[in-house]
Amino acid sequence: GAVVSQHPSWVICKSGTSVKIECRSLDFQATTMFWYRQFPKQSLMLMATSNEGSKATYEQGVEKDKFLINHASLTLSTLTVTSAHPEDSSFYICSAGKAGNQPQHFGDGTRLSIL
Amino acid sequence: AQSVTQLGSHVSVSEGALVLLRCNYSSSVPPYLFWYVQYPNQGLQLLLKYTSAATLVKGINGFEAEFKKSETSFHLTKPSAHMSDAAEYFCAVSDPGGGNKLTFGTGTQLKVEL
Repeated sequence: GAVVSQHPSWVICKSGTSVKIECRSLDFQATTMFWYRQFPKQSLMLMATSNEGSKATYEQGVEKDKFLINHASLTLSTLTVTSAHPEDSSFYICSAGKAGNQPQHFGDGTRLSIL
Repeated sequence: AQSVTQLGSHVSVSEGALVLLRCNYSSSVPPYLFWYVQYPNQGLQLLLKYTSAATLVKGINGFEAEFKKSETSFHLTKPSAHMSDAAEYFCAVSDPGGGNKLTFGTGTQLKVEL
């Protein structure tokens, strides 16, 4: 079945640093990738939709300069949290979808902790 | 705009008992509907999906869900709960013309007791 790999699974870093999270579709070409943020005991909040070769579409309230998304190929999208602060600490999850409204396949998430 | 309501943020059942997790949706067009399961510190795993074919959908791990248009519901059931079913369950809806974008419910934490 479709596999999405997300790396790293856990990051702890100092305030002010930038953190890059990778999302790869291992056995299919993902025309669209999605980035979500999940707070403890809450649902997933869509941050942005990323299409290969074009700029990401950000949801309302998400700072595009804070959360940089690059989707350079059909198998890789990256999320960079720039100048991270403690309030950016969260669980970030990516998903990838094929064309034609196929279900999204999710990575295992990245736990980001900013000290 | 689409939305999903999951009634009951916590559901507790005994091992071997019926599992029923409720999901109601709101959509201006015939939707696609999904159930996902999330184990602690992991991403989401697709349990089943409804995409306008059969209204009774069978998924993995013995789960199934029935799409009822008249009730705008897509409840998830399993005849006999197992300890390994304890997890967070999310119902989600997408607009068939909306490019795969999902709207999630708030989730239901399922607890299975001996």
